[in-house]
Amino acid sequence: DAGVIQSPRHEVTEMGQEVTLRCKPISGHNSLFWYRQTMMRGLELLIYFNNNVPIDDSGMPEDRFSAKMPNASFSTLKIQPSEPRDSAVYFCASSRQVANTEAFFGQGTRLTVV
Amino acid sequence: AQSVSQHNHHVILSEAASLELGCNYSYGGTVNLFWYVQYPGQHLQLLLKYFSGDPLVKGIKGFEAEFIKSKFSFNLRKPSVQWSDTAEYFCAVNARSQGNLIFGKGTKLSVKP
Repeated sequence: DAGVIQSPRHEVTEMGQEVTLRCKPISGHNSLFWYRQTMMRGLELLIYFNNNVPIDDSGMPEDRFSAKMPNASFSTLKIQPSEPRDSAVYFCASSRQVANTEAFFGQGTRLTVV
Repeated sequence: AQSVSQHNHHVILSEAASLELGCNYSYGGTVNLFWYVQYPGQHLQLLLKYFSGDPLVKGIKGFEAEFIKSKFSFNLRKPSVQWSDTAEYFCAVNARSQGNLIFGKGTKLSVKP
């Protein structure tokens, strides 16, 4: 099992540019979570999907952020346009959609917006 | 909506000292509870979990946690810490009626050799 795979591991971009983060969940998992981690705010849940459908996106900070899950094996988080305050580590996690399971995390994408 | 509070932002201990990290959650329904650990520069890994049954759960590396329903608490303990336990520890709650997984802000543990 390859685990949750995120790409890229590191991204440096200029303010105003579009950024796309990618996630491949563990095969057979049908819940997927996007988190943002910063020193100030800790680990924040941005959005989660069940069976490719967004269930709760109340954590998405603003309209510049969007997430999609076109199929069970792929999800993207897009920021357009990016701003320096978006600099953070973005984690993707997946779990089985049953009552008693844990989430497994990817290695994260460290985003720096200059 | 559920929320998680971790009482300590940064804990500094010497090796062999005992550890207890506090975690309280707010949610009136049935929950699953987790502790995750994040070593420097790495992703989050599961330390232990509580779903039902014995409220005292044992995890990896000698960690344990006790679920006290009346106090809405799930504190993490270890009798004797090691330098290698230096990491950030996150408590998380998943309400069984919902699909989300909410984390506390984390407690950074520094163990002095």
